[in-house]
Amino acid sequence: DAGITQSPRHKVTETGTPVTLRCHQTENHRYMYWYRQDPGHGLRLIHYSYGVKDTDKGEVSDGYSVSRSKTEDFLLTLESATSSQTSVYFCAISEEGGINTIYFGEGSWLTVV
Amino acid sequence: RKEVEQDPGPFNVPEGATVAFNCTYSNSASQSFFWYRQDCRKEPKLLMSVYSSGNEDGRFTAQLNRASQYISLLIRDSKLSDSATYLCVVADYGGSQGNLIFGKGTKLSVKP
Repeated sequence: DAGITQSPRHKVTETGTPVTLRCHQTENHRYMYWYRQDPGHGLRLIHYSYGVKDTDKGEVSDGYSVSRSKTEDFLLTLESATSSQTSVYFCAISEEGGINTIYFGEGSWLTVV
Repeated sequence: RKEVEQDPGPFNVPEGATVAFNCTYSNSASQSFFWYRQDCRKEPKLLMSVYSSGNEDGRFTAQLNRASQYISLLIRDSKLSDSATYLCVVADYGGSQGNLIFGKGTKLSVKP
């Protein structure tokens, strides 16, 4: 299995509070991604990174920000959580970007009440 | 918007059955294709890549039809452990990182 660790794995938070999810990889892959998965929508890209300090928006980036200060860490922040952000969040990594296989972390289940 | 469409199922089949899933994609310029498997409350995992010539891995066969823009996955001699959701994934070479488009998945349930 790819060396990807997500934390926390489960979190319940209140509306309006900030939340940060962490993704840590040991594979030294250049590309890192944050997806969310919801019933009826499948996996949707939130943000991705193609190097340290290099990030870009995905399909559903509103309400989320990311940072990548080290190759191995990619942080996803919900500045002010809303109930619509209740979801399961998957981090993924790829050596060569979207043309190549990506590997997923185990997921972080977030509930905003 | 680029789309990948899959029959959501569920496909309920007995052990030993052969089952086929199809997936259609909208962007004719798509370059790479994959099938991922996702178990309940688990992360998606690569099942196999799909090559133009078709490819086989044990009981699993993947086919690509570029002219009709569809991808198929055939599972022979189904096992209980094949029960999962199968995601069709298409990669485009737009932008700096390419873009993976995920289908919503087809659920397979294999019964004894």
